[in-house]
Amino acid sequence: KAGVTQTPRYLIKTRGQQVTLSCSPISGHRSVSWYQQTPGQGLQFLFEYFSETQRNKGNFPGRFSGRQFSNSRSEMNVSTLELGDSALYLCASSLVFGLGGLDEQYFGPGTRLTVT
Amino acid sequence: AQTVTQSQPEMSVQEAETVTLSCTYDTSENNYYLFWYKQPPSRQMILVIRQEAYKQQNATENRFSVNFQKAAKSFSLKISDSQLGDTAMYFCAFTRGNTPLVFGKGTRLSVIA
Repeated sequence: KAGVTQTPRYLIKTRGQQVTLSCSPISGHRSVSWYQQTPGQGLQFLFEYFSETQRNKGNFPGRFSGRQFSNSRSEMNVSTLELGDSALYLCASSLVFGLGGLDEQYFGPGTRLTVT
Repeated sequence: AQTVTQSQPEMSVQEAETVTLSCTYDTSENNYYLFWYKQPPSRQMILVIRQEAYKQQNATENRFSVNFQKAAKSFSLKISDSQLGDTAMYFCAFTRGNTPLVFGKGTRLSVIA
């Protein structure tokens, strides 16, 4: 069974641009979560989608948005990029939503975004 | 809001020795779940072990075990017979169940030959 895939793996953008990252969950998984990982702040939750609906949202500005498609693939978009948006963006999928500790989250390899 | 604290930014251990990574958390909930995740240099995060708060028995997965002290809100990870492949960042995480994972800042573990 293929794991969680994220594209692209590396991305370099300039300030003010916008970017879209993609995540394909494990086949059959319907929940997708996004995290931002930086050396200073660690891992911070962005949002979680289940069955095309956003179920949870982290404390990030409105420049960060996401969506989930009917095939459970998810995208996140960051508009008007800032230098501080440079980070590793991780996507995780799980079978269902709400089972918390009973339902393991499987992480993708991440997308390394560099904003110059 | 729940918080997770890992007080050891870096640790090292000799191959075949035992090492313990610390984690404390703050919550007013009675039912919740705790995890240890491993992130090797290749970056893919994988689940090492999980603990349900309602279970008194400490979880064990092969060489990995936890010491869960609910009253003290402590959740440490013990790695026995350390191997070079255990070199990674280790993250402690918490969830109430239907809430996102809250991660600690991580502990960088180096296993030395």
